Amino acid sequence: QSVLTQPPSASGTPGQRVTISCSGSNSNIGRNSVNWHHQLPGTAPKLLLSDDNQRPSGVPDRFSASKSGTSASLAISGLQSEDEADYYCAAWDDSLNGWVFGGGTKLTVL
Amino acid sequence: QVLLQESGPGLVKPSETLSLTCTVSTYSITSDYYWGWIRQPPGKGLEWIGSIFHSGSAYYNSSLKSRVTISVDTSKKQFSLRLSSLTAADTAVYYCAREIVGATQTIDYWGQGTLVTVSS
Repeated sequence: QSVLTQPPSASGTPGQRVTISCSGSNSNIGRNSVNWHHQLPGTAPKLLLSDDNQRPSGVPDRFSASKSGTSASLAISGLQSEDEADYYCAAWDDSLNGWVFGGGTKLTVL
Repeated sequence: QVLLQESGPGLVKPSETLSLTCTVSTYSITSDYYWGWIRQPPGKGLEWIGSIFHSGSAYYNSSLKSRVTISVDTSKKQFSLRLSSLTAADTAVYYCAREIVGATQTIDYWGQGTLVTVSS
C-alpha cells in the first residue's frame, strides 16, 4: 500500500493529452515538493519534473506538472509512442521523515 | 551529470546481511545533498530505504529501521547500505540516488540499479 495514490494505468493515442493524478496528504504533497519520475522497461527511474515544473535537460515541455492542496497531476501533451513508461510521483513526508512514492502508473500509447 | 554506481552481490542467502556500495562520480559527495537508497521488488513500485548526509546524519524508513544501516566514506566518495536478517521479501533492484532535502525536495539522480536475489 503506497502512501501516495496513483491510478495503476493510463492510456492515450498519439497526439492526445493525458493526465496522471497523485493523491497524498498534508504531511507530504500538502507541504512539500512533488517530483515525477519515469521508468522505461528494464531501466532505472529518471527525474522527469521537479518542483515548479523544473525540467532536467532533455525533457520536452510537452510534460508539465501541477499541484493543488494534497493532490498533484502530471500532464503529457502531444503523446508519443516513446512516452510509454511507468510514471511515479514522489514527495518528502514530514511525519514519516522520509520519501514516499506513488504506486506507479503504467502509460500505454495505443 | 552525476554518476552513481551500485556494487555488491547479486545473490544472498536468507538470514544473511546484504552489503551494497554506491560510488559517486563527477560530483562531490561532501556537497549539500543527501545520498539515499531506494528499492523496487520485481514488478512492483518504489520503496525508500534511507538517506545519509556527508556528516553521517541519516534517516531510515521506519518499517526497515531495525535492519538497516547506511554509512558514508567521503575519502572514497562512497556510501553504503547494510540490510540484515534477509528474507525473500527483500529481493529487489536496489538503487542509490542523490537527493535534495531542504527548502525544496527532489531525487534528481539515480544509479542504474543492482538486482539482489535472496535465495538459498
